[in-house]
Amino acid sequence: AQSVTQLGSHVSVSEGALVLLRCNYSSSVPPYLFWYVQYPNQGLQLLLKYTTGATLVKGINGFEAEFKKSETSFHLTKPSAHMSDAAEYFCAVRPSWGNMLTFGGGTRLMVKP
Amino acid sequence: GAGVSQSPSNKVTEKGKDVELRCDPISGHTALYWYRQSLGQGLEFLIYFQGNSAPDKSGLPSDRFSAERTGGSVSTLTIQRTQQEDSAVYLCASSLDGGGLAGTGQYFGPGTRLLVL
Repeated sequence: AQSVTQLGSHVSVSEGALVLLRCNYSSSVPPYLFWYVQYPNQGLQLLLKYTTGATLVKGINGFEAEFKKSETSFHLTKPSAHMSDAAEYFCAVRPSWGNMLTFGGGTRLMVKP
Repeated sequence: GAGVSQSPSNKVTEKGKDVELRCDPISGHTALYWYRQSLGQGLEFLIYFQGNSAPDKSGLPSDRFSAERTGGSVSTLTIQRTQQEDSAVYLCASSLDGGGLAGTGQYFGPGTRLLVL
């Protein structure tokens, strides 16, 4: 069975500061990895995904994530936080042979002016 | 193009009543998924459709939950004899394919917020 752990249910950063949201997964084989963002009262929006190839993946809104197999991690970063980045972020995995997404518990990002 | 749409956006019902939630996937997406988001349980997978068939129903929490998909498009999630613990946001997602090698992302609708009184 796969599982996803997001360290820190709440993260607060100042506007312009680095954003780092952590995600670790457990899986017997490297899965497909995803980050989603959810704004209040909205559905989930795909930020970026890793399937194969380059381990540094760039997504929308200036976010990127790096797949590190040795650390079973897929942390999400953004060099400079913007007020509009305040939202809840979910890391998810999916086995390469399967279909369902397994989500982490989510991290609520707060951005202080 | 249009994204995934869901209706109703909000539903309040009394315990014991049946409810139907509807999902319109992105045109051309063959795979459709239902998830549930609740405070206590986070985001949980419910069921997956490939075309009109449901090869994976492993996430349905009880036999009060059922879903169907017709014409390879619209899907309906039905909850019979609703209970208060069914209160949650029900999210639908679609993707170009299901499993396979493409690893395509799943695109989510805005959800239906269900409150069982």
